[in-house]
Amino acid sequence: GAGVSQSPSNKVTEKGKDVELRCDPISGHTALYWYRQSLGQGLEFLIYFQGNSAPDKSGLPSDRFSAERTGGSVSTLTIQRTQQEDSAVYLCASSPRTGGATNEKLFFGSGTQLSVL
Amino acid sequence: DQQVKQNSPSLSVQEGRISILNCDYTNSMFDYFLWYKKYPAEGPTFLISISSIKDKNEDGRFTVFLNKSAKHLSLHIVPSQPGDSAVYFCAARPKSGSNYKLTFGKGTLLTVNP
Repeated sequence: GAGVSQSPSNKVTEKGKDVELRCDPISGHTALYWYRQSLGQGLEFLIYFQGNSAPDKSGLPSDRFSAERTGGSVSTLTIQRTQQEDSAVYLCASSPRTGGATNEKLFFGSGTQLSVL
Repeated sequence: DQQVKQNSPSLSVQEGRISILNCDYTNSMFDYFLWYKKYPAEGPTFLISISSIKDKNEDGRFTVFLNKSAKHLSLHIVPSQPGDSAVYFCAARPKSGSNYKLTFGKGTLLTVNP
């Protein structure tokens, strides 16, 4: 697609329920990232995919959070047993990541606003 | 431990004047710096960047200055326009190791008044 697409754009859920957030990166981009922005905070790194593998999961806040990527394309971020502190905007980004150049920029989707009641 | 700090949560300027947004970093391994702009309900979009081998990069109305010794960078917008009103994020990336990872500041909300 033309840009990074995320769905849903908004998700309201009850505490304790599981949620799945989807990201469709720019076609051909091998690198995919999940960030989240809590109220009044900066963008917090969650996980990095290169192809289908995730060499860096260090930002996932707890074992309730998991993510996968299939076919080197679509990624799903799953939050199990949601808590109120999970409420945030979850942003997905992708980049070409050819050669690992440090001057590469990330292209972000519009995010999923998650509200846990 | 905030490695990228934007100490001004907000800034208000008059249309036509200069906007100066500041950013400080603590990690000496950071090698590449980017500014992103974010409108409400949209994702951040890339604005301008600078490598640590430079001290200035200019693109139209936007100029980024880097002072490596002070670990400080700033974004200048001249002249400021109402459409520039947005949240601006400073981000940094190391040269090696986790050089895929951008570390972001908390952002500065810029309001340009007509």
